[in-house]
Amino acid sequence: EPEVTQTPSHQVTQMGQEVILRCVPISNHLYFYWYRQILGQKVEFLVSFYNNEISEKSEIFDDQFSVERPDGSNFTLKIRSTKLEDSAMYFCASSEGLAGTYEQYFGPGTRLTVT
Amino acid sequence: ELKVEQNPLFLSMQEGKNYTIYCNYSTTSDRLYWYRQDPGKSLESLFVLLSNGAVKQEGRLMASLDTKARLSTLHITAAVHDLSATYFCAVVNAGNMLTFGGGTRLMVKP
Repeated sequence: EPEVTQTPSHQVTQMGQEVILRCVPISNHLYFYWYRQILGQKVEFLVSFYNNEISEKSEIFDDQFSVERPDGSNFTLKIRSTKLEDSAMYFCASSEGLAGTYEQYFGPGTRLTVT
Repeated sequence: ELKVEQNPLFLSMQEGKNYTIYCNYSTTSDRLYWYRQDPGKSLESLFVLLSNGAVKQEGRLMASLDTKARLSTLHITAAVHDLSATYFCAVVNAGNMLTFGGGTRLMVKP
């Protein structure tokens, strides 16, 4: 069964460093998303991406964040200068479409630890 | 701004008992999801509810949606230990963005 994959599973970085989190969405999906979950808290939407551009973003997704689809399969989230409060689990998701029963399928997550 | 609230946030129950988790949301939406999350793991889709009055059942879990009341329920029947997890409801707004509730951490004791 097709699934969303994410790498790495765990990333440790120092404050101020740049990190890139990688995702491979399900191959026939057209919509891609990033969410984050701070330990013990709820899942929060960051950004959605369609047709090579951002379609929606939340207040969390400030200038430190960017997303890219560098090729036909990968979808990346870059954090330019990490802060302690960026420590969280980051989930990538993808969906076939917007309307109807087009579910978002979540990847296994990348745990980001900023020290 | 869409707000989604779940209660209870924590639920400890005995095996064999029944209980209901509630999910209220603040603005009109046409889709609601229930997810299960085990510790340190990703989100597993349980149910997609698409219309008023929708009811879906899988094993010991049953979900329903009342769009007029902006309320969804997840009912657990005769709980077993394997159901211990955190359950999230999530509501879709325009653009397919998911807004999650705070989660209900369920512990089922033998």
